[in-house]
This record gives sequence, C-alpha cells and structure tokens, in this order.
Amino acid sequence: DGGITQSPKYLFRKEGQNVTLSCEQNLNHDAMYWYRQDPGQGLRLIYYSQIVNDFQKGDIAEGYSVSREKKESFPLTVTSAQKNPTAFYLCASSISLSTGQNTDTQYFGPGTRLTVL
Amino acid sequence: QQPVQSPQAVILREGEDAVINCSSSKALYSVHWYRQKHGEAPVFLMILLKGGEQKGHEKISASFNEKKQQSSLYLTASQLSYSGTYFCGTEGGFGNEKLTFGTGTRLTIIP
Repeated sequence: DGGITQSPKYLFRKEGQNVTLSCEQNLNHDAMYWYRQDPGQGLRLIYYSQIVNDFQKGDIAEGYSVSREKKESFPLTVTSAQKNPTAFYLCASSISLSTGQNTDTQYFGPGTRLTVL
Repeated sequence: QQPVQSPQAVILREGEDAVINCSSSKALYSVHWYRQKHGEAPVFLMILLKGGEQKGHEKISASFNEKKQQSSLYLTASQLSYSGTYFCGTEGGFGNEKLTFGTGTRLTIIP
C-alpha cells in the first residue's frame, strides 16, 4: 500500500539535544512538507521541498533543519535552538507543489508527538 | 495570511446539520478541506477550485465564493463519525502557491 510513514510516533527529548524525525513516502510524490501543530493554532508550515536536493523555509523554520537527498525521504531535525519544540509534527506530500493547472492534494503521515523533558 | 475559520467549535446532536466557514483576506485559487481525528493525521475531504462548481458527496458538501474569498463546508444529518477538527487550506495566486491552513473548527457530535 502506498502512503506516508513517520517515525517514531512518540519522542522524548532532553533540553539541549538535537533530534531527527523521519518521514518516508512511497507515493512517488515530488513535493514534501513539514508542519507543526499546537493546540488551537492549526497547521504551521516549517519547511517544504519541491524536488530532491532543494527545500525552502516555511513560516516557522527557525530552530529546524531538513534535507532532501532522496525523493522518498524528508527528515526533519529539531535543533537545540528551537526554544519550544514540544508539539505534534506532521509530514505531508503531494504530487507537486502545483502545476499551475491542477491543485494537488496533500497526503499526511500519522505524525510524531515530540515532548521535551 | 492564515484564513479564518468559524465557528471555532460546535457541538451537535446526531442528525443535526452544521456549516463551517473559511474566509481569506486575499484572492483565492483553491480551497482544500480536511478532517482530523484527535491524535491522527488530517484526511483530505475535497478541493474547490476557482471557477469550479460546488462539490460534495452524500451528506458532506462545500461551496466556494470567489468574490467573497470564502468557502463553506456543509455537513448534513451529522453522524458520530463526523466528529473531529475541520481545517481549510487556502491557495492564492494562480495555483502555484503552497497551502495556508486555518486554525480549525472542532466539531463534536453527541448521540
């Protein structure tokens, strides 16, 4: 079955530690996204990538980093510079960012809940 | 800019109808609707494109008023399974921009 997987489902981190969240998709999608979700604030875009080896900052990129070495994978690193990292993190993908003619649906992974101790 | 959703939360009895609104301050190319159950990933419901028709299937439908830069999601004869948080995602420009999501509307259906 095609889909998006994220791991781990729950992650605990001590203050000052970097941590990497995994996101893998086998949908052959070009575009991938990372969102952060806090209670009452909806989905906020952290980073997105339209193609391999290219990515752009979203609205709240500070304290995060990403890489896109393979089409299937888009890991997110939460660095110690992120002052309030406790949140629910969602990865998504779409066929493309947009073709300009068709708008592409975003498919979401199950999420990773990160808690800083 | 982030679209504004209203109401923020609503509680209905099974079988009642609900309307969730999504408003943007900028011209829109498309509106996407998603539903998220607690602790789970958002699930795509439908897309409405500029110039397109009202969409829907069975008891969930949506409209898109381009002039008012608004979209509304209609849930008819609600079922317990409709409970969750509904998000709209809006796209401006000519279909070449990333989505911006609203803050969500929490819908609770009680028996």
